[in-house]
Amino acid sequence: AQSVTQLGSHVSVSEGALVLLRCNYSSSVPPYLFWYVQYPNQGLQLLLKYTTGATLVKGINGFEAEFKKSETSFHLTKPSAHMSDAAEYFCAVSGGLTGGGNKLTFGTGTQLKVEL
Amino acid sequence: EAQVTQNPRYLITVTGKKLTVTCSQNMNHEYMSWYRQDPGLGLRQIYYSMNVEVTDKGDVPEGYKVSRKEKRNFPLILESPSPNQTSLYFCASSPWVSGGNTEAFFGQGTRLTVV
Repeated sequence: AQSVTQLGSHVSVSEGALVLLRCNYSSSVPPYLFWYVQYPNQGLQLLLKYTTGATLVKGINGFEAEFKKSETSFHLTKPSAHMSDAAEYFCAVSGGLTGGGNKLTFGTGTQLKVEL
Repeated sequence: EAQVTQNPRYLITVTGKKLTVTCSQNMNHEYMSWYRQDPGLGLRQIYYSMNVEVTDKGDVPEGYKVSRKEKRNFPLILESPSPNQTSLYFCASSPWVSGGNTEAFFGQGTRLTVV
């Protein structure tokens, strides 16, 4: 079975500061990893994904994440936070045979607050 | 515009009154699924469908039904809703790729309250 752990249900940063949202996963097969963002009253939007190849993945809005197999981690970073980054962020993993293979297993989410 | 459309966005109902939440996608995706989102629990898969007439249970299927008669539509049915089904529901679709190497597209969500 696959699982995802997101450390910190709430993270607060100052505008212009580094954003670091942590994600660790467990998977018995090579994982596909995703970060989704959810703005208030909206659905989930894909920020970035890791499938194979380069372990440093760049996404939209200046976010990036690095797949570290040895640490089973896929942390999300952004060098400089903007007020518009305030949202809830979900890390997810897919792969294997459960859910027809396309099932996403989500972490519990991290609410990012950006302060002036 | 590629999109997943859910209706309604908000619904308040009473215990035991059957309801259906509709989901439609215009991307010709094979794979569709329903998730529920609860505080502190993230999103959990309720049911999924790999193609027309092919559906299966996810992690939390109790109290729900689905059908997939057409490729674009995947309605979620609550035959006898109970208060513990109060939640935020999302429909998602994606191309079916063996192994899961694909992005899922999500609807805007349906906030259901059962009183």
